[in-house]
Amino acid sequence: QVQVVESGGGVVLPGRSLRLSCAASGFAFSNYGFHWVRQAPGKGLEWVAVTWYDGSIKDYAESVKGRFTISRDNSRNTLYLQMNSLRAEDTAVYYCARDRGSNSPRGMDFWGQGTLVTVSS
Amino acid sequence: DIQMTQSPSALSAFAGDRVTIPCRASKNIINHLNWYQQKAGKAPKLLIYAASTLQSGVPSRFSGSGSGTDFTLTISSLQPEDFATYYCQQTYSAPYTFGQGTKLETK
Repeated sequence: QVQVVESGGGVVLPGRSLRLSCAASGFAFSNYGFHWVRQAPGKGLEWVAVTWYDGSIKDYAESVKGRFTISRDNSRNTLYLQMNSLRAEDTAVYYCARDRGSNSPRGMDFWGQGTLVTVSS
Repeated sequence: DIQMTQSPSALSAFAGDRVTIPCRASKNIINHLNWYQQKAGKAPKLLIYAASTLQSGVPSRFSGSGSGTDFTLTISSLQPEDFATYYCQQTYSAPYTFGQGTKLETK
């Protein structure tokens, strides 16, 4: 069955870096786009970034552009989010989500359980 | 960026009620609009994509309508498991923004 499982969250000091991973199984990973979506405690959903099927096209929210990098390794069926220069406002549960489409958005149909990132001194 | 507005932020209803949840885009997004349901402590679930297409496995009491800037999610007869928060999301252009959510509460 389709599964996406995030890992890599934790507590980190402001200004430091963290890399999240999302391991996928049960489907042809390289055929789908993938997103990162985050949710600060008690708040709504915020779209963070997307990478399409071959990793050549990526987009970011303004709030993370220049600090976060989304990437994928299709040989390992794994999605990544490299987060640099972390700020307190980046504290959130980070979800990995599969898009129904391969190279354009068609809705996120499978989501991981989320991994919590806490940025605090 | 395209702003998505969901108002009200909370809605009270009885089980069995017909409920409509509105969503407005700050510019014409044609039909590039998705709806998600989120229960407390859980990941969101895709209900509707392309404004009106029901995702596989979603009960037929859920429906979506609208185009351009104004969209609606309708639940024809509320079930106890439908009390949750509902988000709209535009996928017309990146960044693919969400509305702030509408929490459906039991009256």
